[in-house]
Formats: sequence, structure tokens, C-alpha cells
Amino acid sequence: EDQVTQSPEALRLQEGESSSLNCSYTVSGLRGLFWYRQDPGKGPEFLFTLYSAGEEKEKERLKATLTKKESFLHITAPKPEDSATYLCAVRWWDTGNQFYFGTGTSLTVIP
Amino acid sequence: GAVVSQHPSRVICKSGTSVKIECRSLDFQATTMFWYRQFPKQSLMLMATSNEGSKATYEQGVEKDKFLINHASLTLSTLTVTSAHPEDSSFYICSVQGSGNTIYFGEGSWLTVV
Repeated sequence: EDQVTQSPEALRLQEGESSSLNCSYTVSGLRGLFWYRQDPGKGPEFLFTLYSAGEEKEKERLKATLTKKESFLHITAPKPEDSATYLCAVRWWDTGNQFYFGTGTSLTVIP
Repeated sequence: GAVVSQHPSRVICKSGTSVKIECRSLDFQATTMFWYRQFPKQSLMLMATSNEGSKATYEQGVEKDKFLINHASLTLSTLTVTSAHPEDSSFYICSVQGSGNTIYFGEGSWLTVV
């Protein structure tokens, strides 16, 4: 069973059409949940770290939220330059340095 | 600015030769660095944890004799793919643990074995 699941796998939005990406996890004892943006052929770029349920972080058009079993990445009025793959990673207290990555959501914003 | 620098960004090598990829931590003294591999349209797969001054810890299924990791200083880790074969062609990414429990990634290195 996958420990970190992201949905949808792919998302196409019109420019300005807000939406949310989901990252759900199945194990308790969360040490941190991380969101990254990855452009084709590049390494992931760090966006946010969330540590506890109820926490929210914002950066420009992006806002990340966290509950006990999932996180959402809300994209408000997206622009074409927001097109990328968004990766979620989770770290637990009993797994040392291991980060568990989801398979990502590929976002395309159409002008 | 960049936190982690990776070099080369692209490399082509002949089958049977070895190739070295460098990962430098620019902002942190990194006792631990991580090496990942990523296949097209797939997520990152942790290969090994690189420990400064000691042996790397490899994930299950990763051949330690094929993927040699050296972490000789607090700012540099290297991954050497030995006796490379076409199936080793992939995108290799290193990362460094920074402040606040977060890891930062390098720009990645595309390896093509011909």
C-alpha cells in the first residue's frame, strides 16, 4: 500500500481557474509534510513545509494546508507559468532520514 | 539562490565506463546528503544516504558496488556510476538537509549511457 498518494495525477486548468491538489498519507507520527514544484528536466524546488494539523502556508498564488491525514495545495487564479509537476513528500518520526514521495500531480495551465 | 549545486547537468558516456556526479552544498554544512534517481514521469526513488566521513547507507535493491558514494567533506558528495550500462541512463538528483527539517534538491544530472 502506498504511504503517500497524490491526486489527481494530471490537471488542466484555464488561466485564472482556481483548484486544489491533494496529498494523503496513511501513517501516523508525522514529522513533516513537504511540497515541491518540479519543472521538466530540473530538480524539485522547495515550496512549503507543514508540521501539524491546522497549519497553513502561503506563497504568491499557492497555499498549502494540512489535516491529520492529508494536505491540500490550493492554487488561486493560476497562470501558465504555474505549469509544473507538484510533488508531496512526507517524513515520519520512526523512519529516520527517509522521505516518502508521492507520484506527483502534473499541472497544466492553459492561457 | 541555489542551495545545492550539482555537476554535470548532462553527461553521455559509453557503456562499460564510469561517470562521476558531484553534489555541493552551498548554504549548509551537510553531514548528510541524499541521492535519488528518477525515471521519466515517475517520482523520486531514494538510492542512498551519504554520510560525511563514513560509509553511505544504501536502500534495498541498490547495488553499492555499482553506485559508489563518497562524502569526503561537509559540502561535497559524489556519486560514481561504475561500469555503466544503458539501463543506468536516468536522472540523478542529490539533496541536502537544511534548516527546519527540509531537504533541498540540486538541479539534477541527466546520464545517458550509449
